[in-house]
Amino acid sequence: SQQGEEDPQALSIQEGENATMNCSYKTSINNLQWYRQNSGRGLVHLILIRSNEREKHSGRLRVTLDTSKKSSSLLITASRAADTASYFCAPSSGSARQLTFGSGTQLTVLP
Amino acid sequence: DSGVTQTPKHLITATGQRVTLRCSPRSGDLSVYWYQQSLDQGLQFLIQYYNGEERAKGNILERFSAQQFPDLHSELNLSSLELGDSALYFCASSADRGDQPQHFGDGTRLSIL
Repeated sequence: SQQGEEDPQALSIQEGENATMNCSYKTSINNLQWYRQNSGRGLVHLILIRSNEREKHSGRLRVTLDTSKKSSSLLITASRAADTASYFCAPSSGSARQLTFGSGTQLTVLP
Repeated sequence: DSGVTQTPKHLITATGQRVTLRCSPRSGDLSVYWYQQSLDQGLQFLIQYYNGEERAKGNILERFSAQQFPDLHSELNLSSLELGDSALYFCASSADRGDQPQHFGDGTRLSIL
């Protein structure tokens, strides 16, 4: 597996606004996963997008993948205070199943 | 609720001591992963077991060891503890089939005094 680099490191928005965070990686992937971590808690799997997919939706989440640019973005629409968390991307390549995480994006949604 | 159970939730001990962290994976998951999260190192993969066998090793110190038992629960043993071992230790499990996500427990917070 390889490490993804999330950007920005921190993002602060008002409730109801959309939040976009990005992930870049270095080599070709089989899939890319996004996880959320609330403070002091375990990571929660949000969405997985395969290398042959360009866009995927899950509720208020929209993930895009551009393999030519080796990047992915996570959009959270109509954000809520409960979305305040750190968000990590985990690109996966080869047969390795373990995940390698970057520093994440710390999202703060202000009420 | 991820279905992954980790015990204990908190552990406070002293340098030089040895501790054991326990993980029960989600029902049906054969793979167990251990991760360490600290302020300076971030979230790092330590080791993976699949159906009782070690499958992958990451940044795991020689003072640390793990095993997975026939009932698929796993234990992470940390010995000769140092101040720098203070961290959150997470266990995750997955079905290890195709594109299956990992499901994380809530971690054990280890504090070394």
